[in-house]
Amino acid sequence: DTEVTQTPKHLVMGMTNKKSLKCEQHMGHRAMYWYKQKAKKPPELMFVYSYEKLSINESVPSRFSPECPNSSLLNLHLHALQPEDSALYLCASSQAGDEQFFGPGTRLTVL
Amino acid sequence: GENVEQHPSTLSVQEGDSAVIKCTYSDSASNYFPWYKQELGKGPQLIIDIRSNVGEKKDQRIAVTLNKTAKHFSLHITETQPEDSAVYFCAAGSSASKIIFGSGTRLSIRP
Repeated sequence: DTEVTQTPKHLVMGMTNKKSLKCEQHMGHRAMYWYKQKAKKPPELMFVYSYEKLSINESVPSRFSPECPNSSLLNLHLHALQPEDSALYLCASSQAGDEQFFGPGTRLTVL
Repeated sequence: GENVEQHPSTLSVQEGDSAVIKCTYSDSASNYFPWYKQELGKGPQLIIDIRSNVGEKKDQRIAVTLNKTAKHFSLHITETQPEDSAVYFCAAGSSASKIIFGSGTRLSIRP
């Protein structure tokens, strides 16, 4: 299995909702990432997990809470988001910290 | 911190012609340079990468060159086809688990 999968594909939520984005890879990669991508912009790094431990937090607001339950799974818990948080959220994984393989993303709309 | 500049922002070429996208980076410690292709509604796809100990790498119609002295690297696509139309991102990495993306080039192939 050489894919990174993400669910859901689309998510619409209100500012008071709590929701979670999920990411899964079965390539045995030891690092997993969350990126945020706004329209016509490059992906922006949010979080990096290495060996299931959070290694990088790019000063992301606390309304975004990452979780790595095991080496194959990565979650992003969302709470009290703002409309400007609407974006494509991408998950990626890598074995050695360089070649990153991306999932298809979750298109998030915050109303 | 690392900064990656990418040019041009848009590029239109006739089918069958070549396309060249150029990037410069600021951190002399950067040693890994991937290129990603992103089609509409999809996540970025790694298409080729190069490391600092190599000056050129080729994979069928795609080639990447690296000039470490000038801190330049370029993507060359020959014999362009309609399916090459997409947004292309260069990136540079200098430490495990983190890469910085360029601003992207929207490539259009004219029939």
